[in-house]
Amino acid sequence: AQSVTQPDIHITVSEGASLELRCNYSYGATPYLFWYVQSPGQGLQLLLKYFSGDTLVQGIKGFEAEFKRSQSSFNLRKPSVHWSDAAEYFCAVGAEVGTGNQFYFGTGTSLTVIP
Amino acid sequence: NAGVTQTPKFRILKIGQSMTLQCTQDMNHNYMYWYRQDPGMGLKLIYYSVGAGITDKGEVPNGYNVSRSTTEDFPLRLELAAPSQTSVYFCATDRGYYGYTFGSGTRLTVV
Repeated sequence: AQSVTQPDIHITVSEGASLELRCNYSYGATPYLFWYVQSPGQGLQLLLKYFSGDTLVQGIKGFEAEFKRSQSSFNLRKPSVHWSDAAEYFCAVGAEVGTGNQFYFGTGTSLTVIP
Repeated sequence: NAGVTQTPKFRILKIGQSMTLQCTQDMNHNYMYWYRQDPGMGLKLIYYSVGAGITDKGEVPNGYNVSRSTTEDFPLRLELAAPSQTSVYFCATDRGYYGYTFGSGTRLTVV
């Protein structure tokens, strides 16, 4: 069965510091992987996605993620965090359900940015 | 371009009442989904639709119903509200592994 694990429930970083959010997945086939960000009271916004090819993918807002098949991981990174990056981050893996596409979400990592 | 619109944004229901959560999209996507989000639990799929007239159950469908008479609309119906249905509900659309576009959510409290 497909599943996504985000080991860190909450992370605090200083503004300007680097960031890495961890994501591990379980999926029998080649995964489609996604990172979403959710600001308080808002819906989820797609940051980036991996389908195939280059294992380092670039997203919006200066984020990137690296797919490592051997580790079943898809960690999200940012070299220098801004205060506006404080939000909840969700990793998701895509799977086909019937003829639709279902995404399995992790439980999220809450990011706090301190001045 | 509105994307995905959900109404209402907030609602308080009494136990046993019914209501419909509305979801409308203007992107002409065939795939639409309803998720619920509970604290610390991520998102769980309730129902999904691959096109007008076609719906199917997700992971947590009990207590809910859906219909899809048009490409644009995908309402979610709660018939007998229970406290366990207190949650934030998100509608989403997708055109095939490009990633979801989410609505802004409906926060429902059942008391």
